[in-house]
Amino acid sequence: NAGVTQTPKFQVLKTGQSMTLQCAQDMNHNSMYWYRQDPGMGLRLIYYSASEGTTDKGEVPNGYNVSRLNKREFSLRLESAAPSQTSVYFCASARPVAGPTDTQYFGPGTRLTVL
Amino acid sequence: AQSVTQLGSHVSVSEGALVLLRCNYSSSVPPYLFWYVQYPNQGLQLLLKYTSAATLVKGINGFEAEFKKSETSFHLTKPSAHMSDAAEYFCAVHIQGAQKLVFGQGTRLTINP
Repeated sequence: NAGVTQTPKFQVLKTGQSMTLQCAQDMNHNSMYWYRQDPGMGLRLIYYSASEGTTDKGEVPNGYNVSRLNKREFSLRLESAAPSQTSVYFCASARPVAGPTDTQYFGPGTRLTVL
Repeated sequence: AQSVTQLGSHVSVSEGALVLLRCNYSSSVPPYLFWYVQYPNQGLQLLLKYTSAATLVKGINGFEAEFKKSETSFHLTKPSAHMSDAAEYFCAVHIQGAQKLVFGQGTRLTINP
């Protein structure tokens, strides 16, 4: 039981390049989330998927797209990376079929630098 | 709108001293409140949560938090700090119905030997 996994762990991009951050969970959770963490700003929600087949914008969605590939996987895509997207990105999941619906479980993060 | 505010971006205490990390919330409905901890270069782990049962909530690693409606607070405490408690701590409120969490800005806890 690996929980929430993210790939890659580190990435350096040049301005204008694209990339996809991958996230997978093996806890049979219905909801998945993408956050970015910047110093002094806590975690800010980029996009989330309350259930398979749905996605919604969070607080800071500009410059990002997401795909809920199936119940396990939720990817985040940067189409044209900008230096302002330099951050640490966390994926999280919540809402098991049975059990508490409010607790989120986090992956280890992806540290992205855009030059 | 529901939100949380953490008072103090940095807190420094001596080993063995009381740890007090402050969180105030704003919510028009009874809130679900959380404390998460982030150790260096790791993801967030749940410390404890309040979901309208007992107002004093006990978590992992000796931490506890008390929900005080009159003060709209959910402060995190630990009687005796240990070096391993050095980390960043986040308070969060659950947005009911939307299945989302809103996080505070975080408090970095430093433990002095």
